[in-house]
Amino acid sequence: DIPLTQSPATLSLSPGQRATLSCRASQSVTTFFAWYQQKPGQAPRLLIYDASNRAAGIPARFSGTGSGTDFTLTISGLEPEDFAVYYCQHRVQGPTFGQGTKVEIK
Amino acid sequence: EVLLLESGGGLVQPGGSLRLSCTASGFTFSSYVMNWVRQAPGKGLECVSVISSSGDNTHYADSVRGRFTISRDNSRNTLYLQMNDLRAEDTATYYCAKDVSVHWHFVGLADYWGQGTLVTVSS
Repeated sequence: DIPLTQSPATLSLSPGQRATLSCRASQSVTTFFAWYQQKPGQAPRLLIYDASNRAAGIPARFSGTGSGTDFTLTISGLEPEDFAVYYCQHRVQGPTFGQGTKVEIK
Repeated sequence: EVLLLESGGGLVQPGGSLRLSCTASGFTFSSYVMNWVRQAPGKGLECVSVISSSGDNTHYADSVRGRFTISRDNSRNTLYLQMNDLRAEDTATYYCAKDVSVHWHFVGLADYWGQGTLVTVSS
């Protein structure tokens, strides 16, 4: 198992602000890495795959960077619908999720 | 449109069994790897099990290995999760999720999800 550590646990921001979420793996997962968004009462939604590729239909304000052990999800200008929980995931030696970062309205 | 519909959840006593089903439509089910992912109340996501397109290859989380069995019936476009010896810590919403991959290689990237079925293990 390769655990993932997300930070911060909670991010309090206002609409229009930039959100930066981090995720660190205990060893390299190259770019077999993804980000998901989950809103209350809903299933997760794939945002970013292979570290930096936006999934179909995902707005350009979402971007992913990183490789190896350190990854970042940036939301450049939060919209009201972006306040949610975000999970990182890798798929090396078995798919594993991070514990989540909640982006809440300040 | 890809649709995944889970069923079979409910209340079960510790030590009991339950079989979850996921009926798929809108894509060629037999071509894709499929996943079961669970989420305990108020907690994060855990990939429970993954199965190859043919059913020949499977992966299990350590927490369920030896108790849960994933399978599929490609003629019925249906994914299953047989859960035995259930424990309180198995209480969760169980999601069926389609993998992006058709090959058994770095699996677990889920592009479509069902709405989930709740399993509650309690006496």
